[in-house]
Amino acid sequence: EAQVTQNPRYLITVTGKKLTVTCSQNMNHEYMSWYRQDPGLGLRQIYYSMNVEVTDKGDVPEGYKVSRKEKRNFPLILESPSPNQTSLYFCASSSGDTQYFGPGTRLTVL
Amino acid sequence: TQLLEQSPQFLSIQEGENLTVYCNSSSVFSSLQWYRQEPGEGPVLLVTVVTGGEVKKLKRLTFQFGDARKDSSLHITAAQPGDTGLYLCAGPRGSNYKLTFGKGTLLTVNP
Repeated sequence: EAQVTQNPRYLITVTGKKLTVTCSQNMNHEYMSWYRQDPGLGLRQIYYSMNVEVTDKGDVPEGYKVSRKEKRNFPLILESPSPNQTSLYFCASSSGDTQYFGPGTRLTVL
Repeated sequence: TQLLEQSPQFLSIQEGENLTVYCNSSSVFSSLQWYRQEPGEGPVLLVTVVTGGEVKKLKRLTFQFGDARKDSSLHITAAQPGDTGLYLCAGPRGSNYKLTFGKGTLLTVNP
C-alpha cells in the first residue's frame, strides 16, 4: 500500500531535549516536505526537499533541521525544542501535483 | 506575499443542504488544489484546477477556478455527515515545491 509514515505519532518532551521525527514514503517520490499545523494559522511549510541531498527552507524553518540522505526518508530534527514548537506536524511526499500526507505527529514541548 | 483567504471559517449545516466555500487571493496562481482533512489524519487531495474558468466535478462536489485564476470555490450538493471535515485550498508559490495553504473551512454536517 502506498503510504507516508511518521514516527512517533505522539510525543511529549521538555525544552532543550533534542528529538527527531521520522518520515518515510514507499512511493519512490522525489519531493518531500514538512509542515506544521496550528490553530488559527493553518498549515505552514517548514522545509522541503526536491531530491536526495537537496533541501530548502519553507516559510517557518527556524529551530528545525532536515536531512535527505535517502530518497525514502526525510527526518525532521529539533536540536533544542522550545514550547512554541508545540504543534501538529505533517510530512508529505509527491510526484507531480499530488501530495500525499502522513498521519501527523502531535508534539508537545513543556 | 501570496495569501489564500478561505471563507467561511466555520460552517454547520443539516444533512441534505447545499453549501459553497470560497478560496480567494489577490494574486494569480498557476493552479489551486483542494484538500479535505478529517480529525486525526493528514489532508487528502480532492482536486487540482489549472485553467481559468475550469469546473471539475467529483460526485456531489463541484470545484471552480476563477477566470482570473485568483479564486476558487467548492460547492457540495446534498451534504452528508461523511462530508464533515476541514476543507483546505492550496496553491504553489514561486515554484511547485513551495505550497501556500489557506486556513481552511471547518464543515460540520449534522444528521
